[in-house]
Amino acid sequence: AQSVTQLDSQVPVFEEAPVELRCNYSSSVSVYLFWYVQYPNQGLQLLLKYLSGSTLVKGINGFEAEFNKSQTSFHLRKPSVHISDTAEYFCAVSSPVDTGRRALTFGSGTRLQVQP
Amino acid sequence: EPEVTQTPSHQVTQMGQEVILRCVPISNHLYFYWYRQILGQKVEFLVSFYNNEISEKSEIFDDQFSVERPDGSNFTLKIRSTKLEDSAMYFCASSTGLAPEETQYFGPGTRLLVL
Repeated sequence: AQSVTQLDSQVPVFEEAPVELRCNYSSSVSVYLFWYVQYPNQGLQLLLKYLSGSTLVKGINGFEAEFNKSQTSFHLRKPSVHISDTAEYFCAVSSPVDTGRRALTFGSGTRLQVQP
Repeated sequence: EPEVTQTPSHQVTQMGQEVILRCVPISNHLYFYWYRQILGQKVEFLVSFYNNEISEKSEIFDDQFSVERPDGSNFTLKIRSTKLEDSAMYFCASSTGLAPEETQYFGPGTRLLVL
């Protein structure tokens, strides 16, 4: 079974400050890792993903995340946030597709609140 | 850019009634999914669908639920006899199914309220 823990339910930050949203996962098999963002009244939009290869992945809107296998973490970072980054951020994992399982397991989400 | 669409955006129904939530996946995608998010809780997987049959389902997806691809574009989730606890946001998603670049693209959701 897989599980995802997002350690912070809310993260307030001032505009142009750096931010890190934390994600830890648990799985008995190798995983794919994803970060999705949900802006108010919208669906889930993919920010970035880790499937294999380089542990540092870059996504849209200046976000990046680093896969750390030993710490089973996939923290999301941005060096300088904007007001427009205010949204809910979800970390998710899935099994490699050759397992036949494609279901995403989500964390509980982190609400990023960027203040002027 | 192609996107997943869902209708309606909001639905209010009485307990015991049947509801059908509709989704139009991205046109060249082969896998389709339903997820739900009860207010204040995690997004949870319900079911995946491929080649006109269910490929995977969670323990949430019991006999009350069914999915169908009635034509070449729509993908539906039917809840036969709604319960109060079915109130949630329901998300449809689709993916190409081409390993290993398996990315699910989500629709905007349907907010279901059961009274």
